[in-house]
Formats: sequence, structure tokens, C-alpha cells
Amino acid sequence: KAGVTQTPRYLIKTRGQQVTLSCSPISGHRSVSWYQQTPGQGLQFLFEYFSETQRNKGNFPGRFSGRQFSNSRSEMNVSTLELGDSALYLCASSLGGTNIFHEQYFGPGTRLTVT
Amino acid sequence: DQQVKQNSPSLSVQEGRISILNCDYTNSMFDYFLWYKKYPAEGPTFLISISSIKDKNEDGRFTVFLNKSAKHLSLHIVPSQPGDSAVYFCAASASSGGSYIPTFGRGTSLIVHP
Repeated sequence: KAGVTQTPRYLIKTRGQQVTLSCSPISGHRSVSWYQQTPGQGLQFLFEYFSETQRNKGNFPGRFSGRQFSNSRSEMNVSTLELGDSALYLCASSLGGTNIFHEQYFGPGTRLTVT
Repeated sequence: DQQVKQNSPSLSVQEGRISILNCDYTNSMFDYFLWYKKYPAEGPTFLISISSIKDKNEDGRFTVFLNKSAKHLSLHIVPSQPGDSAVYFCAASASSGGSYIPTFGRGTSLIVHP
């Protein structure tokens, strides 16, 4: 069974631009969560989508948004990029029980650099 | 304010010995805890979990201990192997409200020397 895939793996953007990251979950998984990892803040939960609906949301500004398609693939968008948005963005998928933590599988991440 | 703290950024252990990774939390509502392992250029992989109704959970060489009164979690790896060298993240969540939104520690880098 193929794992969670994320594209692109690396991205360089300029401050003020916007970016879209993509995540394809494991086949059969309906829950997709997004995380931001930085050296200063560690791994932080952004949001979780289940059946095309945002079910849980972390404490990030509205510049961070996402969506999920009917095939469970998910995209994350960051608008008006700031230098502090430079991070590794991780996507994780799970079957989608109430506990989104449970049996969660991570992709390799997208390394975003904002200059 | 960090709700989940891993106070040791790094740990160095000899192969065959025990590795003990520690994690402290402040939110008394946390009732589900996990450890993840992360190799460079890969996403974290689930290692072991424990719910607050237990104080110990074992899976092969990995054992997680939970001390609810001290709000302390530890991961024991016995015996340690060079392949265990990775960054280990502790994470916690609260089931109240049914959200289970996870909170992660900043990780401890474990190096196991042959």
C-alpha cells in the first residue's frame, strides 16, 4: 500500500506570495491533518479535514487555509507569505475515527523557504 | 506557553544500554499520549501510545510509562540499537469535546553509539 505523498518536496517563495501544497493520503484514509514544524516552535497542528469538511483547527491565522477533495486528497494554502512561514509542512492521514491522533501516518513533508 | 515539554534536546547512549526519553505536560485534561520517531528527510512514524487509564504500555523493546500525578511521561528503549538514532517526539491530546487535537513536544535527538 502506498504511503502518504506530498508535493512538492521543496519550495522557495518570496515574501508576500502565496503557496499551495498538496497531500495524497493512504488509500482508504479519509482524514488528513496538516502540521507545521519549525526549529523554534516544534511540530504544531494546523487543521484536519474529514470527508471534505474541516473538522478540527489549530491556532494559526486565517492566511493558512486548506481543503479536501472527494478523493480525500488535500491541499493547504498559505497567502501573503511571511519569513516566519519558512518551515517543514507535514501531512498525515488516518482512517478518520474521532481520535485523529490514532493510527496517523505522516508524509515526508514539504520544505518551504520564504525569502 | 509550552504544554508539552521535552527538556533534553539530545541524548547519547551506548548500544545495548537503556535509553530513557522524558516528557512533561502541564494540561491536566490530556488523556492520550503518543511517541513518534523521526528520521531525517522522513515524516514522523508512530511508535507507541498510552491512554490515561493505564500507567504502562509495552511493545517489544519500547515501553512507555505514565505518571499522571507528576504529569510525566517517559519512553524506555531496551536494548538500544544504532538504528534507534532519530528524533523522538512526545505528543498529547485531550478527548474532552471529542477533538483530540494533538500537542507536540519539540523533540529529543537520540544518538546510539555502536
